[in-house]
Amino acid sequence: SQKIEQNSEALNIQEGKTATLTCNYTNYSPAYLQWYRQDPGRGPVFLLLIRENEKEKRKERLKVTFDTTLKQSLFHITASQPADSATYLCALPGGGGFKTIFGAGTRLFVKA
Amino acid sequence: GAVVSQHPSWVICKSGTSVKIECRSLDFQATTMFWYRQFPKQSLMLMATSNEGSKATYEQGVEKDKFLINHASLTLSTLTVTSAHPEDSSFYICSAREVAGSPGGYTFGSGTRLTVV
Repeated sequence: SQKIEQNSEALNIQEGKTATLTCNYTNYSPAYLQWYRQDPGRGPVFLLLIRENEKEKRKERLKVTFDTTLKQSLFHITASQPADSATYLCALPGGGGFKTIFGAGTRLFVKA
Repeated sequence: GAVVSQHPSWVICKSGTSVKIECRSLDFQATTMFWYRQFPKQSLMLMATSNEGSKATYEQGVEKDKFLINHASLTLSTLTVTSAHPEDSSFYICSAREVAGSPGGYTFGSGTRLTVV
């Protein structure tokens, strides 16, 4: 069955450093992959979408890579700030591409 | 940008009662909306796909008679948890996409924290 794996352990980093989060998937050949941010008690907020033919995508301090051979996406936040502390979710299309399937997310803590 | 409004943000109800949660797309029309539930530290689990003017499509294991979905207009979908029990306590979130069929990101509501006592 289709499976998305994100590191369940929280990631703690120092302000100013680069945070790198990993999303691995199995039994998928997605046409694209999405990353969302979720704050406690709130709904997710869309950050970036990367297509299968794109190796890398950037948006301000965010960078996403997509390796369809490794079946992996990396999500980077450069010059991290305490305000970046949140849970980051990886999402893939499922159910024929009409639905979205989410990973469990990785909690990021950025210390000042 | 696209905004999805979800109401209420939290609700406490007694066992056996029903609770209605509303999800509105404020500045776009959504022929399809999605309902998720999320338990603490777990992923969003898709419950059902709400289709304007037709029956909702429920995911396997989700009781359609317990979680009633109505999508009567292009901007409003409602989820009613009927005969709620403590195990229904969870975080319920709706989402919609501004352009149907496009792979762009989904817009989520702010979620509803349901506590059944």
